[in-house]
Amino acid sequence: GAVVSQHPSWVICKSGTSVKIECRSLDFQATTMFWYRQFPKQSLMLMATSNEGSKATYEQGVEKDKFLINHASLTLSTLTVTSAHPEDSSFYICSARFQGVGELFFGEGSRLTVL
Amino acid sequence: SQELEQSPQSLIVQEGKNLTINCTSSKTLYGLYWYKQKYGEGLIFLMMLQKGGEEKSHEKITAKLDEKKQQSSLHITASQPSHAGIYLCGAAPINNNDMRFGAGTRLTVKP
Repeated sequence: GAVVSQHPSWVICKSGTSVKIECRSLDFQATTMFWYRQFPKQSLMLMATSNEGSKATYEQGVEKDKFLINHASLTLSTLTVTSAHPEDSSFYICSARFQGVGELFFGEGSRLTVL
Repeated sequence: SQELEQSPQSLIVQEGKNLTINCTSSKTLYGLYWYKQKYGEGLIFLMMLQKGGEEKSHEKITAKLDEKKQQSSLHITASQPSHAGIYLCGAAPINNNDMRFGAGTRLTVKP
């Protein structure tokens, strides 16, 4: 079946630095990818929709200048957390939709810890 | 926006017992998805329901979608410790674009 891969699976960084998380669709082209965030004991919250070749669409309350999304190819979307702070520590999961098919495929997630 | 309510928020059952998790939508669902997650890990796809009245089963897990397509239930028969985790229902809006999730149900199965 289709596979979505995220990298890194976990990352620790210092406050004020930027961190990039990659989301790749391994065996299909994904025109649309989605980024979610999950805090401890909470559900997944949609942050933004990443569209190949165009700007991402952000959910209300998500700072687009802080969470930079780039979807430069049909198999790769990146999420960059700029000037990270401890409150940005969370579990970030991406998903990708196979063109024309309803099912979403999820990555394994990336755990970010900001010291 | 699509709002999904899950109940219960947490559930502790003895191994071998049956259990049911519910997911209710404020709007008619285009598609209803059930996932399992162990916190800090990715989502495991369980089932997708699209038709009113649809019911699907996989091993000891059965999911149903009501006729109005606004409520779904996930039933586990003879629960095992391996069933423990967080169960999430997700719904795609009418345009089947992004997916929103319920708050999740944390299941603990005591051996």
